[in-house]
Amino acid sequence: EVQLVESGGGLVQPGGSLRLSCAASGFSFTGYAMSWVRQAPGKGLEWVSAISGSGGSTYYADSVKGRFTISRDNAKNTLYLQMNSLRAEDTAVYYCAKDKVYSGNYYALCDYWGQGTLVTVSS
Amino acid sequence: EIVLTQSPGTLSLSPGERATLSCRASQSVSSSYLAWFQQKPGQAPRLLIYGASSRATGIPDRFSGSGSGADFTLTISRLEPEDFAVYYCQQYGSSPNTFGGGTKVEIK
Repeated sequence: EVQLVESGGGLVQPGGSLRLSCAASGFSFTGYAMSWVRQAPGKGLEWVSAISGSGGSTYYADSVKGRFTISRDNAKNTLYLQMNSLRAEDTAVYYCAKDKVYSGNYYALCDYWGQGTLVTVSS
Repeated sequence: EIVLTQSPGTLSLSPGERATLSCRASQSVSSSYLAWFQQKPGQAPRLLIYGASSRATGIPDRFSGSGSGADFTLTISRLEPEDFAVYYCQQYGSSPNTFGGGTKVEIK
């Protein structure tokens, strides 16, 4: 059974940093690209970042480019999102999600999602 | 960036009725790379449809997707109580992938 469990969310002041983690199990982690998608309170879904199976290719939304860094540790089956220079508009539930296609390349279609971790940016 | 517009914003229907949800793109979606997700309160999104018309694993056949180019439709043939939720479309053919604003299907 595919499981994705996010952690690391919390309350942080504007300008602060936070690192999110996503522990994956139940599938061949290195064979799939992974993504982070966020949802502001009461709002829709917004893609944030993605990484290929090997970790060699990374992708970012313009809204977070230069502030967020995605990475993965394939030995630990864990995905990360390092978030720096946080702003109030980054407040959201952050979901990690697994690509549907087994190839390692990024296809942007996610078939399994974690339950999310809430990040609140406020003074 | 492709903008997806979903309509209506809210659909009020009774169990057993047919639901028709629309997703219109600001430009043609490459290779019909259009997906639909269902989200219930406090839960993660669930993949229903991909490639515009292919059902994901375990999705009941009352859910169907259609369309091409810039106009897509999700149809729920007969609403079950568990189908009342918010539905999002997503295009994944062009970078960045983008989501529509959602349609809420509520009990009338």
